[in-house]
Formats: sequence, C-alpha cells, structure tokens
Amino acid sequence: GAVVSQHPSRVICKSGTSVKIECRSLDFQATTMFWYRQFPKQSLMLMATSNEGSKATYEQGVEKDKFLINHASLTLSTLTVTSAHPEDSSFYICSARDFGGLQIDYLLTTKNIQYFGAGTRLSVL
Amino acid sequence: AQKVTQAQTEISVVEKEDVTLDCVYETRDTTYYLFWYKQPPSGELVFLIRRNSFDEQNEISGRYSWNFQKSTSSFNFTITASQVVDSAVYFCALGGGSQGNLIFGKGTKLSVKP
Repeated sequence: GAVVSQHPSRVICKSGTSVKIECRSLDFQATTMFWYRQFPKQSLMLMATSNEGSKATYEQGVEKDKFLINHASLTLSTLTVTSAHPEDSSFYICSARDFGGLQIDYLLTTKNIQYFGAGTRLSVL
Repeated sequence: AQKVTQAQTEISVVEKEDVTLDCVYETRDTTYYLFWYKQPPSGELVFLIRRNSFDEQNEISGRYSWNFQKSTSSFNFTITASQVVDSAVYFCALGGGSQGNLIFGKGTKLSVKP
C-alpha cells in the first residue's frame, strides 16, 4: 500500500509552546488529508479535513485557532498545536487519501483509500 | 446519522483459534464503503480492506476473511488460525461522500495468547 510519513513520532513540550506535526504522502499525491485525535483506549475522532490549496474544514468542537492546519502541497499537510496545554496531550494521527487521479465515480476507483501515518504522541508538561 | 458499532471491546483467544470481529453500521446513504484497519501497539493504522456498498461478495485474503451483509448492515472480520502477531486493536470504519472522511467504530482489542 501507499506510504504516509508522519513526523515527529513523539514530542514532549512545555505548556505554552507550539508544536508542529508534519504529514507527508511519499508515493502518491493527496489532495485531501485528514487529522485525527485518539485518546487512550478510545477510537479515532476526526479533527479536520485538509484540502490542498484551501482552508481546512474543522469538525464541531475543534478550535481552528488552536489547531492550525496547512496543506500547501499535494504531498504535505501540517498540524500546529498552538500554545499547547496539558489537556492537548494525546495521540495525533494523520491520513492521506490516495484517490488515484481523477475524481470521477470515486466509489468505483480501486483506490480512494485513506492511508495513515504512524502517529505523533504529544505530551505537554 | 452515520454510526459504526463494534460491540466487542476485548477478545482473548489462544493461538490457532479462529476469531470473528463484529461490525454493524448505520447509514442513510445508498452508496458507501466500509473498511477494516489494524492498529498494533506501535500505533499506526494498517489498512486491511475496503468494500463498496454494491459489492457484497465475501473476500478472503490468506487467514483473513470478511463477510459483508447489507441485509443486516454488518461487515464482520474473521481471522483463521490466529497468531500472536494478530494481537492488535481492530477498527471498522464507514466512509461516504466526496470528501471521504471515515466514521470509526470504537475498536476491538484482540489478544492472541501463545
């Protein structure tokens, strides 16, 4: 399958600092990337949908000024946690959708699969 | 509203046993797709399978098999002759719409003991 690289894998920071997480699709172009948050022993919760060249779409309850998303190229999206606080400590995981080219009848394409990065474990002291 | 239910929170089996992970979904969409992902202790999600709503054929891949039944809105996953390396959390997910965002179930933690 396609490869999605997420960096860093782990970060420990002091309260009040900002942390940037990168998500790269290595062998395909991803017009859409997704950012999820996962609390211990819980499921993945979608935070935002990131579209290349446009503003991200945030899920209800997610502060867009707190979690800045930039998707400047077809292979890179970044999530910046601004002024991080201990309650922001969590596992953040990105995914990139391998659409395989044209957005025609997406359900019939053999691709249109989300591939996930390895995740970033953020600990805010 | 879209929803995915994985009723089994944790399952523990002994190596070589067969195990089935249940997934029930709810959607009003007529076209949608379903996924299974594996999350080992390392954290990354590994894609296992995607199934379109109009394709009810069961699928087998090695020791893995999937049973998709629209009549019961279920997409169950069976591991035959389980191995210790199968120990992980398995997530079932529902996707739909042009954006392709996924709705995840709460996951089933599978522990395979030697």
